[in-house]
Amino acid sequence: GQQVMQIPQYQHVQEGEDFTTYCNSSTTLSNIQWYKQRPGGHPVFLIQLVKSGEVKKQKRLTFQFGEAKKNSSLHITATQTTDVGTYFCALRGYQKVTFGTGTKLQVIP
Amino acid sequence: DADVTQTPRNRITKTGKRIMLECSQTKGHDRMYWYRQDPGLGLRLIYYSFDVKDINKGEISDGYSVSRQAQAKFSLSLESAIPNQTALYFCATSEPGTSVKHNEQFFGPGTRLTVL
Repeated sequence: GQQVMQIPQYQHVQEGEDFTTYCNSSTTLSNIQWYKQRPGGHPVFLIQLVKSGEVKKQKRLTFQFGEAKKNSSLHITATQTTDVGTYFCALRGYQKVTFGTGTKLQVIP
Repeated sequence: DADVTQTPRNRITKTGKRIMLECSQTKGHDRMYWYRQDPGLGLRLIYYSFDVKDINKGEISDGYSVSRQAQAKFSLSLESAIPNQTALYFCATSEPGTSVKHNEQFFGPGTRLTVL
């Protein structure tokens, strides 16, 4: 089945710095989802992108879907300590969701 | 999300023991899933079910079995637990359909299982 690779695995940033995580596939994706998991918590759905070149914003979070629909990114502007957690991209297939390996974000106050 | 509950939340067991993890949901969703999470490996699908008569293997079903007792209940069993099944286990639900709201998965709080 289709797989999505996510980088980096870990990222430490100073509070106020920007952060980006990338999701890549060797094949064209029909959609991409993003989830956030706080430390000790469970994954929570953030957004789904389906259109080539799509860009969506949620406050300081910007989600992009590549023109070729083979990659996606999540960018956080001016990180805050509340952004700490693991961010997963995921592919919604016909029957199931395939998750990337996640990027663990640490924010240093 | 209180709509999806998992019991127990933590469990320590010994190699060879049979373990059952339970998941209940009040969201009225037909689709239920079991995942395991390991550091650096993300979430991997163990089994999924689209209704009480439908059970499907995921990518890592070996060593696990499931039971869909009702629309609201989906249990995961480890018949003979082994140490490499030590992980965080999540149950999730979703609705069937093609619109965005049907694509979201709702996760339970997780069960941390340790096999000694």
